[in-house]
Amino acid sequence: SQQGEEDPQALSIQEGENATMNCSYKTSINNLQWYRQNSGRGLVHLILIRSNEREKHSGRLRVTLDTSKKSSSLLITASRAADTASYFCATDGQGAQKLVFGQGTRLTINP
Amino acid sequence: DAGVIQSPRHEVTEMGQEVTLRCKPISGHDYLFWYRQTMMRGLELLIYFNNNVPIDDSGMPEDRFSAKMPNASFSTLKIQPSEPRDSAVYFCASSHAGRVGYGYTFGSGTRLTVV
Repeated sequence: SQQGEEDPQALSIQEGENATMNCSYKTSINNLQWYRQNSGRGLVHLILIRSNEREKHSGRLRVTLDTSKKSSSLLITASRAADTASYFCATDGQGAQKLVFGQGTRLTINP
Repeated sequence: DAGVIQSPRHEVTEMGQEVTLRCKPISGHDYLFWYRQTMMRGLELLIYFNNNVPIDDSGMPEDRFSAKMPNASFSTLKIQPSEPRDSAVYFCASSHAGRVGYGYTFGSGTRLTVV
């Protein structure tokens, strides 16, 4: 079964707007990661947040983690057409070095 | 580094045939993972290796699937005999235990179609 569940399943916004995706998980974790997948390609690691961190930034990405609610969010600010992709959260709740991925959020940025 | 290299990129085979997917991880990475991606089931972890040793194969669907890692630079995933329900994109990924913050590096995948 999937450890992480993303919400929404699909999101369509205008270029320049901010995009927020959410992830919920079921078991305790050491860290949570976000990945991007462009159509027909492999996944690319974006950012990792550890269980003792609440917020992390990387460029236009902002990730939050609430371990009490077992949830995380990924915010992409000032979106660009190139951000169009599927975004997945992944957790290690089933063991270190064993990532379990959610179903992903399909993000479309309209020019 | 050229990244994680998978071959072939596309494979079309007839039901009952043997299929072998190949993966070359990033040099120096000590973990290797095989995932399968379908629309219905998403990304499923099939098996992973640490220092060439299989650690967890609980995700392998059935005995028709087998994976090997004879050395640190090569792994194979074999399906024998193949069935139409095995059609999916198969990804190989590698990571380094000492560099958790960098996450996994994925290959471009092998799109398998069994007809």
